[in-house]
Amino acid sequence: QQQVKQSPQSLIVQKGGISIINCAYENTAFDYFPWYQQFPGKGPALLIAIRPDVSEKKEGRFTISFNKSAKQFSLHIMDSQPGDSATYFCAASHTSGTYKYIFGTGTRLKVLA
Amino acid sequence: ETGVTQSPTHLIKTRGQQVTLRCSSQSGHNTVSWYQQALGQGPQFIFQYYREEENGRGNFPPRFSGLQFPNYSSELNVNALELDDSALYLCASSLREAGGEQFFGPGTRLTVL
Repeated sequence: QQQVKQSPQSLIVQKGGISIINCAYENTAFDYFPWYQQFPGKGPALLIAIRPDVSEKKEGRFTISFNKSAKQFSLHIMDSQPGDSATYFCAASHTSGTYKYIFGTGTRLKVLA
Repeated sequence: ETGVTQSPTHLIKTRGQQVTLRCSSQSGHNTVSWYQQALGQGPQFIFQYYREEENGRGNFPPRFSGLQFPNYSSELNVNALELDDSALYLCASSLREAGGEQFFGPGTRLTVL
């Protein structure tokens, strides 16, 4: 019940295209859903996060769509750029008690120039 | 404002040895979480410290232990190292009262031979 399933495992997109990464969770008590970007040899950096009281959040070229009933959320990267090539992780957390993150397995994105 | 820092950057140990990893949290943060990230995987929660007390633990054996100091910096200690302990160890700091957002350091790459 603590798992977060992420797909696809890898993704290749042309420059200017839309990258879409999907995650599904099981625990309905999760109430915070961040996305992180990680470059090789670096720590994860927070991109954007959403709470279940909204269905969509947009920050620049990054948008999270959230479907509470389906227990799914996704990251859309508009106008993808070669600099976006990295590994992306979704996560889920409670915001009370021990708010540990449960991470997905990651999506390796490559944006072709 | 200083971000999360970790030391050392890289470390090589042999099986059976002990290791101590260090983390300085971001200014104003009172909570530190430690994660283990094996190659090609998402980070796995080890434990969390809030105001010098352990505040939750993941599925890791007791030979993984930690400390948080009055200045909110933290240590992760691993005894009796095993080959499978080879991973990137990530520290994340947060302000508990701000509800969830964790900021990661660059990590310490531990190799156990």
